[in-house]
Amino acid sequence: NAGVTQTPKFQVLKTGQSMTLQCAQDMNHNSMYWYRQDPGMGLRLIYYSASEGTTDKGEVPNGYNVSRLNKREFSLRLESAAPSQTSVYFCASRFGLAGVVETQYFGPGTRLLVL
Amino acid sequence: KNEVEQSPQNLTAQEGEFITINCSYSVGISALHWLQQHPGGGIVSLFMLSSGKKKHGRLIATINIQEKHSSLHITASHPRDSAVYICAVEGAGGADGLTFGKGTHLIIQP
Repeated sequence: NAGVTQTPKFQVLKTGQSMTLQCAQDMNHNSMYWYRQDPGMGLRLIYYSASEGTTDKGEVPNGYNVSRLNKREFSLRLESAAPSQTSVYFCASRFGLAGVVETQYFGPGTRLLVL
Repeated sequence: KNEVEQSPQNLTAQEGEFITINCSYSVGISALHWLQQHPGGGIVSLFMLSSGKKKHGRLIATINIQEKHSSLHITASHPRDSAVYICAVEGAGGADGLTFGKGTHLIIQP
């Protein structure tokens, strides 16, 4: 079991470039999440997918789009990168059983630098 | 929106000391999570709490739902406990993600 995997581990972009961050989980989880972590701000929710076929905005969705490609994969796209999107991005997943408190499993993170 | 506050922000202690990290939140929750993040590393779940107290090895987590407060204790601290400890809360919606505190940066000196 690889758990939650993310690619790439590190990326440098120029302002205006686009890229897609990939996330996959092999735990048969229904719910998946994208968070960003910034110094002094803590982790913040960008988008989430409660189940396959659904996506919803989190706290800081502007400048991002997501795709729940299938049950395993949840990608995050930056259409036109800005320096304010320099951050560490974490993908997470959980079973997503209604009314059940569950552990969230986090990927190793993607460090993104936008110049 | 739930506001999650952690204290202290930074903590340096000597090996063997008893450590306490506090977390308070503003709105009722379904659960509270304690997470650990080592420098440059990933995030690992330590505890999930809906009520009462949980213990895992030298780590103890407690929650007081009425006071909207939780504590994470580390007994007989060790340099390998040095990490950022993050409190996160889960609303009634459950599947709609966590709201995080800013973390407590803990350093245990030998």
